[in-house]
Amino acid sequence: QVQLKESGPGLVQPSQTLSLTCTVSGFSLTSYNVHWVRQPPGKGLEWMGRMRYNGDTSYNSALKSRLSISRDTSKNQVFLKMNSLQTDDTGTYYCTRAITTSHYFDYWGQGVMVTVSS
Amino acid sequence: DIQLTQSPASLSASPDEIVTITCQASQDIGSSLLWYQQKPGKSPQLLIYSATILADGVPSRFSGSRSGTQYSLKISRLQVEDIGTYYCLQVSSSPYTFGAGTKLELK
Repeated sequence: QVQLKESGPGLVQPSQTLSLTCTVSGFSLTSYNVHWVRQPPGKGLEWMGRMRYNGDTSYNSALKSRLSISRDTSKNQVFLKMNSLQTDDTGTYYCTRAITTSHYFDYWGQGVMVTVSS
Repeated sequence: DIQLTQSPASLSASPDEIVTITCQASQDIGSSLLWYQQKPGKSPQLLIYSATILADGVPSRFSGSRSGTQYSLKISRLQVEDIGTYYCLQVSSSPYTFGAGTKLELK
């Protein structure tokens, strides 16, 4: 069955780089898009960026200068790297699969909580 | 970037009431609008895609509609299990954007 699972450090120091991994199963990264979405505690959802099935990427305008998304199709993994972290980057980070035609996000990971603090 | 103005920010309703949440897009996004429900501590769940199409397994009391650049999610008879926060999301063009959310509570 389709599964996505985020992993990464729970605590990151300010100004450091966040590295998260989304490990997928039950589908191919060359057939579906994978997006990253985050949510600060008690706040709304924010779209961060996506890795398309063909390897193209796109990013949230506000995060573009700090964010990079890549993948390793042989390992069924999509990676998120974001530098210069600040306290307002604290939140839950989700990866989600998207249908390439209708673009809706059908399966989501459980999310990983990241706290930015010294 | 396309902006989505979602209203109301919060809503209190009684079981069996009709509930309507709206999203106003800042420009034409066609039918590229999704609705999600999120419960505390859980990942969002897809309710509606392509503005009006009910996702698999979603109860028929949920429906989506579109009038120009205004989109609505309607719950025809609110049930206790419908409590949560609802978000619209435009997938017309990158960067994608979410509405600010509507927190639905029981009266």
